[in-house]
Amino acid sequence: KQEVTQIPAALSVPEGENLVLNCSFTDSAIYNLQWFRQDPGKGLTSLLLIQSSQREQTSGRLNASLDKSSGRSTLYIAASQPGDSATYLCAKTTSGTYKYIFGTGTRLKVLA
Amino acid sequence: DAGVIQSPRHEVTEMGQEVTLRCKLISGHNSLFWYRQTMMRGLELLIYFNNNVPIDDSGMPEDRFSAKMPNASFSTLKIQPSEPRDSAVYFCASSLGLPSYEQYFGPGTRLTVT
Repeated sequence: KQEVTQIPAALSVPEGENLVLNCSFTDSAIYNLQWFRQDPGKGLTSLLLIQSSQREQTSGRLNASLDKSSGRSTLYIAASQPGDSATYLCAKTTSGTYKYIFGTGTRLKVLA
Repeated sequence: DAGVIQSPRHEVTEMGQEVTLRCKLISGHNSLFWYRQTMMRGLELLIYFNNNVPIDDSGMPEDRFSAKMPNASFSTLKIQPSEPRDSAVYFCASSLGLPSYEQYFGPGTRLTVT
């Protein structure tokens, strides 16, 4: 069974700190890797999408990387702000399918 | 674009009642996904459609659940009869499909079955 694990499950950091969220998967067959943000009581907002031919994507203070050989992706957040507080989810698809397998999520709190 | 639209945003119903959740896709998207999110099980894919055709419904928990896509921009998820264990947040997401398969989520419907 394919599994996607995110570590840590929860993280609390002071404002301004750089941080890394981890996503690992048991099946290295991967087509896309997408990072989402979910605010309490809200839907998921897409942050970054890494396609199979890519190794990383950047948007503002966010950088996501993908290492298929080790079955890992990381989301780097630079100069964290209280507004970054949310749950971060990664999800992967396998080649030939639309089906996303979601990770367990990391709940981030950035303290002012 | 308004994004993916879901209604109602909140639904409280009694056990045994029929519940219908609605979703409008982003214009031009051709794939539709229904998910359920609970604390215990996280996000689970229930069913997805491509070009109005159900492709994979292996995540639909029981025959009490059914989903339709009567046209290219609209879908319903029906639970009949509803049970307390169906209480969850139900999301739909749409996608343009190839090449990126990137999914865009709606705000969700919080369902409470008493």
